[in-house]
Amino acid sequence: KQEVTQIPAALSVPEGENLVLNCSFTDSAIYNLQWFRQDPGKGLTSLLLIQSSQREQTSGRLNASLDKSSGRSTLYIAASQPGDSATYLCAVKLNAGGTSYGKLTFGQGTILTVHP
Amino acid sequence: DADVTQTPRNRITKTGKRIMLECSQTKGHDRMYWYRQDPGLGLRLIYYSFDVKDINKGEISDGYSVSRQAQAKFSLSLESAIPNQTALYFCATSGRGPYNEQFFGPGTRLTVL
Repeated sequence: KQEVTQIPAALSVPEGENLVLNCSFTDSAIYNLQWFRQDPGKGLTSLLLIQSSQREQTSGRLNASLDKSSGRSTLYIAASQPGDSATYLCAVKLNAGGTSYGKLTFGQGTILTVHP
Repeated sequence: DADVTQTPRNRITKTGKRIMLECSQTKGHDRMYWYRQDPGLGLRLIYYSFDVKDINKGEISDGYSVSRQAQAKFSLSLESAIPNQTALYFCATSGRGPYNEQFFGPGTRLTVL
């Protein structure tokens, strides 16, 4: 059974810091990995999608890397801002061969607080 | 306008009541999903549908049923609500094939008293 773990569970940093969020998964047979942002009481916003054949993806101040063989992904946020405060979730889509049904397995999330 | 919409956004109901949560999407996606989110348990898949005629149970389908009325509409029903179904419910969509991104709706906060 695929298990996804995110470390740390919570992180509080001053504005301007560069920071790294970690995600690990137990089964490396994945189609892709997706990073989401969730604001309190709100839905999930997709940030980055990394296919299993890719090493990294970038969007603005966000960079996500994937090391499928070791079961790890990191989300790097450059020059953090108070508006980055949210819960960050990673999710992997297991490669179940021809019967894959697109199920995402989520981590518990990292709660990020960026204070001015 | 949002690509994936859910109604209602908040609902309070009583034990034993039947309720329906609705999801609509304008992304033209074939695949739709229902998840629930609980503190400490993360998001878990309830049901998923690959097209109008293809509906499948997820990991926690007991106590729930779904209906795919059209490509763009996917409803989740609680036949007889119970307090441990209190949670945040999300609908999601994705394109055909396993490599596509999933897009989530804003969620429905359900409280069962």
